[in-house]
Amino acid sequence: SQTIHQWPATLVQPVGSPLSLECTVEGTSNPNLYWYRQAAGRGLQLLFYSVGIGQISSEVPQNLSASRPQDRQFILSSKKLLLSDSGFYLCAWGGQGNSPLHFGNGTRLTVT
Amino acid sequence: AQSVTQLGSHVSVSEGALVLLRCNYSSSVPPYLFWYVQYPNQGLQLLLKYTSAATLVKGINGFEAEFKKSETSFHLTKPSAHMSDAAEYFCAVSDLRAAGNKLTFGGGTRVLVKP
Repeated sequence: SQTIHQWPATLVQPVGSPLSLECTVEGTSNPNLYWYRQAAGRGLQLLFYSVGIGQISSEVPQNLSASRPQDRQFILSSKKLLLSDSGFYLCAWGGQGNSPLHFGNGTRLTVT
Repeated sequence: AQSVTQLGSHVSVSEGALVLLRCNYSSSVPPYLFWYVQYPNQGLQLLLKYTSAATLVKGINGFEAEFKKSETSFHLTKPSAHMSDAAEYFCAVSDLRAAGNKLTFGGGTRVLVKP
């Protein structure tokens, strides 16, 4: 069966520090991969998605970037964090057609 | 562009009472629709999905949803609320014509279950 791993679970970082969140998927090949952010009291905002290795699409301009160095690995990064980057970050994978998205357990990021 | 509107950011129900969460969507093509549940500090778990087969969809934990094209709605119901149903619920729509099979989510409805 397929599983998705996301780490760390929680992270507290000072403003201006770098960020790297990692997500890996097991049990499937060539998945679509996604990064969503959930800010306090708000819904889910799609940040990035990827349909293949090295293929990244950005949904909103921001302080973050994403990379997909391997088929089942998706990384969210920032060179310098802002206070507004605080939130709950969710990685997800999906198949083709009408398959739903499957989410990791999320990373709660607090920028201080 | 697609969009999803969930009416009511908070819903309070008594244990044993009907749970009704409203979702309306906007899509230029026949949509695929989903309901997810999120417990505190966890990811989203799929409750059910509509993919153009039966309009009444049954999901996990006793939930079901009915697709009504004329009303552009996909409301979620459960006949009898349980304390464990306290969570946040998200409706989402997918446009398979768009690259990446992305989901657009509603703002979420937080359910409180009173004993």
